[in-house]
Amino acid sequence: DAGVIQSPRHEVTEMGQEVTLRCKPISGHNSLFWYRQTMMRGLELLIYFNNNVPIDDSGMPEDRFSAKMPNASFSTLKIQPSEPRDSAVYFCASSLSEKEKLFFGSGTQLSVL
Amino acid sequence: SQQGEEDPQALSIQEGENATMNCSYKTSINNLQWYRQNSGRGLVHLILIRSNEREKHSGRLRVTLDTSKKSSSLLITASRAADTASYFCATAAGSGYSTLTFGKGTMLLVSP
Repeated sequence: DAGVIQSPRHEVTEMGQEVTLRCKPISGHNSLFWYRQTMMRGLELLIYFNNNVPIDDSGMPEDRFSAKMPNASFSTLKIQPSEPRDSAVYFCASSLSEKEKLFFGSGTQLSVL
Repeated sequence: SQQGEEDPQALSIQEGENATMNCSYKTSINNLQWYRQNSGRGLVHLILIRSNEREKHSGRLRVTLDTSKKSSSLLITASRAADTASYFCATAAGSGYSTLTFGKGTMLLVSP
């Protein structure tokens, strides 16, 4: 298995632009998570999907952030409009259930100038 | 908050020495997990220990869990330079819905 695949690996954009991050989970995993990692706040859960349905989005910072999972093999995290404080590494992870071990992608390093 | 807290924040040792990292948490758990993150990479799962287990081994890794003290430790024996990474503990609450909550991690530097 190729593992969790994220794209792009790096994204540099200007404030106000729309950013879309993509994730392909491991086949057969029914739980998908989006995390954000910064030095100050550590690893924060943004949103959790189970069987393509958003279960917990309490970590989504504000309405500028949205996430979708149109099918079992694809998810997106969109930021519109982006702000410099959104600069972070965004990770997608998948698992068989929300309490079991997570498999992380390589992350997207986002820089908003 | 269920968040685990690792201790120490940073640890520097020589190759061949053992490295011990600790994690404390606040409420009852279903399981506790340890992850490793190399610089610029995603987290990699190392080991999962359930609340009814006290010790688990995987290669050079040994994890203990003391639910009465709400703490866990990760021991890496005979460390290697390749063990240099950040190590995170993550906890899943004991009952009901719960996703994993990660601590801030311990940065381990193993010098040749």
